[in-house]
Amino acid sequence: GQNIDQPTEMTATEGAIVQINCTYQTSGFNGLFWYQQHAGEAPTFLSYNVLDGLEEKGRFSSFLSRSKGYSYLLLKELQMKDSASYLCAVRADSGGYQKVTFGIGTKLQVIP
Amino acid sequence: NAGVTQTPKFQVLKTGQSMTLQCAQDMNHEYMSWYRQDPGMGLRLIHYSVGAGITDQGEVPNGYNVSRSTTEDFPLRLLSAAPSQTSVYFCASRTHGSYEQYFGPGTRLTVT
Repeated sequence: GQNIDQPTEMTATEGAIVQINCTYQTSGFNGLFWYQQHAGEAPTFLSYNVLDGLEEKGRFSSFLSRSKGYSYLLLKELQMKDSASYLCAVRADSGGYQKVTFGIGTKLQVIP
Repeated sequence: NAGVTQTPKFQVLKTGQSMTLQCAQDMNHEYMSWYRQDPGMGLRLIHYSVGAGITDQGEVPNGYNVSRSTTEDFPLRLLSAAPSQTSVYFCASRTHGSYEQYFGPGTRLTVT
């Protein structure tokens, strides 16, 4: 099976940097997603990491270490609109089918 | 493009009733999926389709049926609603060769 662990809640200050961690245990790992989900809305895609290292996309960066089963999402220059849940999801081979398993999400609150 | 659309936005059912949640996409995506999202749990895959005429079960398929007669539409049928099916249901689609899933706005279902 797959196990994904991320903090339930985090609070950070507007303008600051916050790092949201995700650890996972899975066999047949193929890649890791980060999604953003505002309250009452649909998840929206942020990133997909397959190889080790850091990928930067504007204010958001995502890091992956396959050997450690670890990823983080880094949000810089936090804005109030970044208050949302951030979902970590792992894609893995499951009997010939590419299964995507989602974590429960980290609820980030940005305060002034 | 409207993207992924879902109807209805809200629904209340009595135990034992049946209904169909509608999902449509206008992006000509081959892959479509249905997820449910419950408090304290990650998004869980109910059923998915890799193309018209092809469907398969996900992680929690019991109590749900799907069909895919066209590329655009992927309805989810609840055969005999139970309180355990109270949840938020998201439909998602993606194109072959891309890992980015586009989610619909969700259907909030309550079964009493």
